[in-house]
Amino acid sequence: EVQLSESGGGLVQPGGSLRLSCAASGFTFSNYAMSWVRQAPGKGLEWVSGISGSGSSTNYADSVEGRFTISRDNSKNTLYLQMNSLRAEDTAVYYCTKQEGYGAVDYWGQGTLVTVSS
Amino acid sequence: QSALTQPASVSGSPGQSITISCTGISSDVGGYNYVSWYQQYPGKAPKLMIYDVSDRPSGVSNRFSGSKSGNTASLTISGLQAEDEADYYCSSYTSSSTVFGGGTKLTVL
Repeated sequence: EVQLSESGGGLVQPGGSLRLSCAASGFTFSNYAMSWVRQAPGKGLEWVSGISGSGSSTNYADSVEGRFTISRDNSKNTLYLQMNSLRAEDTAVYYCTKQEGYGAVDYWGQGTLVTVSS
Repeated sequence: QSALTQPASVSGSPGQSITISCTGISSDVGGYNYVSWYQQYPGKAPKLMIYDVSDRPSGVSNRFSGSKSGNTASLTISGLQAEDEADYYCSSYTSSSTVFGGGTKLTVL
């Protein structure tokens, strides 16, 4: 059974940093691209960042480019999102997702809430 | 990376069919046959309902179907049931990212 479990969310002040982790199990982690998708309170889904199975290729939404860094450790079956220079508008539930094919997300984690506020 | 355009809300009575549209541009919806649709209940993670425009994952009811014409994709739900009341999101692959629609709230009257 595929399981994705996020951790690392919480309350952080504007300008601060946070690192999210996602522990994956139930599939061959290194064979699949992964991504982070967020959802601000009461709002829609927003793709944040994606990474290839090997980790050699990464992409970012314009809204987080230069502030967030996605990475993965295939030996630990873990996905990461390093978030720096956080802003109030980054407040959201962040979902770790497994990609199938081109863009489709076939599994989602339960999400972790990041709140940026003073 | 502009969001895809979806109607904010649609509604239908049990047993009826409804269609939700998802409009993009030639570099996303129009350029690839990689449109997905997700169902989300309040407080829950989204669930994949359609991928690659019209394919259904195992376990998804055949009442859900997808199609695409030009820059617009569509999700059709036939034989509407009370349990279909939820938010629905489309998404499209692009050469450098994934883009989501703004979401559509489906109300079953």
